[in-house]
Amino acid sequence: KQEVTQIPAALSVPEGENLVLNCSFTDSAIYNLQWFRQDPGKGLTSLLLIQSSQREQTSGRLNASLDKSSGRSTLYIAASQPGDSATYLCAVKAAGNKLTFGGGTRVLVKP
Amino acid sequence: DAGVIQSPRHEVTEMGQEVTLRCKPISGHNSLFWYRQTMMRGLELLIYFNNNVPIDDSGMPEDRFSAKMPNASFSTLKIQPSEPRDSAVYFCASSEQGPMNTEAFFGQGTRLTVV
Repeated sequence: KQEVTQIPAALSVPEGENLVLNCSFTDSAIYNLQWFRQDPGKGLTSLLLIQSSQREQTSGRLNASLDKSSGRSTLYIAASQPGDSATYLCAVKAAGNKLTFGGGTRVLVKP
Repeated sequence: DAGVIQSPRHEVTEMGQEVTLRCKPISGHNSLFWYRQTMMRGLELLIYFNNNVPIDDSGMPEDRFSAKMPNASFSTLKIQPSEPRDSAVYFCASSEQGPMNTEAFFGQGTRLTVV
């Protein structure tokens, strides 16, 4: 059974500092890994999708890496801003199209 | 496309009543997922469908929960009878099926309160 873990559960940084969010998964036989952002009381917004054959994916200040063999992904957010405060979730998709989520990391960027 | 559409956005009901949540996936997507989110348990996968067929319902908490997908553009999640512990936000998501470019998109959720 695939298990996805995100550590830490919460993170607080001063504005301008780079953010590093971790995601680990137990079964490396995945199709892809997706990072989401969730604001309080809102739905999930897709940030980045990394295919299993890719090592990284970039979008603006966001960069996500994937090491499938070790079961790890890292989301980097450069030069954090207060507007980056949210919960970030990672999810892996595997055979049968099943999408399994981690518990999320709650981020607070202090002005 | 308007994205994944869920209704209602909010539902307040009394214990014992039947509740039906609705979802319209993105056109062309042939996988649909129902999740429940609570503070205590995070996001839990309840059930998912491929091509309108339920593939894995092992996350459905008990027989009071049922889900259907009568066609490619509509799914329902029903709770009968509802209990206070069912209070949560229920999300529907859809994606294309298969290993490539299968980005999942979520609806805005239905906030259910059972009193």
